[in-house]
Amino acid sequence: QVQLQESGPGLVKPSQTLSLTCTVSGGSISSGGYYWSWIRQHPGKDLEWIGNIYSSGSTHYNPSLKSRVSISVDTSKNQFSLKLSSVTAADTALYYCARDRPPSDYWGQGILVTVSS
Amino acid sequence: DIQLTQSPSFLSASVGDRVTITCRASQGISSYLAWYQQKPGKAPKLLIYAASTLQSGVPSRFSGSGSGTEFTLTISSLQPEDFATYYCQQLNSYPFTFGPGTKVDIK
Repeated sequence: QVQLQESGPGLVKPSQTLSLTCTVSGGSISSGGYYWSWIRQHPGKDLEWIGNIYSSGSTHYNPSLKSRVSISVDTSKNQFSLKLSSVTAADTALYYCARDRPPSDYWGQGILVTVSS
Repeated sequence: DIQLTQSPSFLSASVGDRVTITCRASQGISSYLAWYQQKPGKAPKLLIYAASTLQSGVPSRFSGSGSGTEFTLTISSLQPEDFATYYCQQLNSYPFTFGPGTKVDIK
């Protein structure tokens, strides 16, 4: 059974960089066949797809965030990561990582990130 | 970006009711559509992909149909555990986008 777990700071100051890591267990990122995604949900609101990465390192990003977002993979640790720069209060959200066939068939529990000074 | 709309945005129903939710895409997406169920405090759960294929382990009272720009999710007989918010997602082209959700509440 594949499991994903997000980790990282729950509080980030405005203008700083949000950094999250997703640790995958029960399956190997390097085995291929899947994309690995980040999705966020503003409190009580819609789901927003942020981007994904393949085990080779190939990425796709949401153009609305593209200038600020970076997703990377560390196959040796079976982890993938999200960096979002120059954050504002509008980036306060619940951040999920997921395994994509696509679609997203396994999700982490989510991590709430608040942007505040 | 491909925009998705869902209707209704909210519906109130009783246990045993047949429920239908519609998702419309701003342009044709073939059958590249998935449906998710989300309960409060939980991550979304994949119900249906490729418009009509039931994800493993999902009860058969859930079904999906449609192609192109109009899709439906049907729950044939609503159960107490089905009260939740349902989202569609298009997977035809990047960026993948989600619909705004339909909240199914108890009448």
